[in-house]
Amino acid sequence: EAQVTQNPRYLITVTGKKLTVTCSQNMNHEYMSWYRQDPGLGLRQIYYSMNVEVTDKGDVPEGYKVSRKEKRNFPLILESPSPNQTSLYFCASSLSGTRGNTIYFGEGSWLTVV
Amino acid sequence: DAKTTQPNSMESNEEEPVHLPCNHSTISGTDYIHWYRQLPSQGPEYVIHGLTSNVNNRMASLAIAEDRKSSTLILHRATLRDAAVYYCILELAYKYIFGTGTRLKVLA
Repeated sequence: EAQVTQNPRYLITVTGKKLTVTCSQNMNHEYMSWYRQDPGLGLRQIYYSMNVEVTDKGDVPEGYKVSRKEKRNFPLILESPSPNQTSLYFCASSLSGTRGNTIYFGEGSWLTVV
Repeated sequence: DAKTTQPNSMESNEEEPVHLPCNHSTISGTDYIHWYRQLPSQGPEYVIHGLTSNVNNRMASLAIAEDRKSSTLILHRATLRDAAVYYCILELAYKYIFGTGTRLKVLA
């Protein structure tokens, strides 16, 4: 079954404690991206990756890091989380990120920073 | 900056057609228009997409204005399972710009 898998699904952490949200896809997609969803703001793109070792900033990259060492994985790293990063996070993948390819989303990761 | 604008909410009666509008006046010639929907506690799921011409699939139709500055998602017969938040999205070569979404309420 085609899947984008995120972990953890739910996390409460404290300010400043580094954390990583993992994302994995089993569709051999070149393109992967991260979004955050906040009430009234829809989904906003944090970072994206066009292929292994190729990443770029989305609209709200501040406070986040990513890496793409393997095609299937695209972890989101919060080096020093702050309360304003409390949000619902989605990982997504598509064949290429261009030409209208369908985007597949994970189920989301609820992150609370206290 | 690229932007999409949608009404916050709409209502429809079950079994009736629904037209969900989106304004994307900043669109460029190569930007695709996508529509996704999100059910509670789930990630967005694909509905339809297009570039210039109107599109039909088993779920919906997408009507794109001639100048491409707006589009309309058409659900031909709304069911209770279609109640969701519908997002109009611009694809700008690797970047995706989401609208704030339209919450569709379907009345039995």
